[in-house]
Amino acid sequence: DTAVSQTPKYLVTQMGNDKSIKCEQNLGHDTMYWYKQDSKKFLKIMFSYNNKELIINETVPNRFSPKSPDKAHLNLHINSLELGDSAVYFCASSLAGLSNYEQYFGPGTRLTVT
Amino acid sequence: DQQVKQNSPSLSVQEGRISILNCDYTNSMFDYFLWYKKYPAEGPTFLISISSIKDKNEDGRFTVFLNKSAKHLSLHIVPSQPGDSAVYFCAATGGGNTGKLIFGQGTTLQVKP
Repeated sequence: DTAVSQTPKYLVTQMGNDKSIKCEQNLGHDTMYWYKQDSKKFLKIMFSYNNKELIINETVPNRFSPKSPDKAHLNLHINSLELGDSAVYFCASSLAGLSNYEQYFGPGTRLTVT
Repeated sequence: DQQVKQNSPSLSVQEGRISILNCDYTNSMFDYFLWYKKYPAEGPTFLISISSIKDKNEDGRFTVFLNKSAKHLSLHIVPSQPGDSAVYFCAATGGGNTGKLIFGQGTTLQVKP
């Protein structure tokens, strides 16, 4: 049983296109995240939702728009893709609450923009 | 401004020996630290954590040490096994309820049989 799943696993697209990455978790968690791992391997948080409410919104171009239809899903839509958007995107989830920082990650989506 | 740093990009050890992975941080507001392990083409998986009120936490072959005055933590793996070969990420958080983690850039550990 996959705890945090992402689709697609690989995404190759051209500059200027719009694409979406989907994330689902079946852990019953109420907080979900999107991370970007760039070419230098840094994992950086982009967004976080708690019970469908945006709680973390890092300095990310507004071409990136997260959407949480329910607390088990957090999708990432990217408009007008650029070469610099090429990276691996990870979704994660956790149970909210003080002193509970363990996050469970999905397998990642490798986005290549040509 | 990289608040969490793993200065060794790679480490190679012999099976059965100790692996020591290091992590430094700059933000004195960080009060909880985690180590994640990542295999190729998979997401990071949680390994072990430590609160700033402790200086050591042990779980089987894995022990994390925290030196707050030096803003330094380390992960010890004893004995190292070939299956431990992976990328290890150190992460830190300043608490609160947002769950925001700041990650280091990772150290690739290779354990040779």
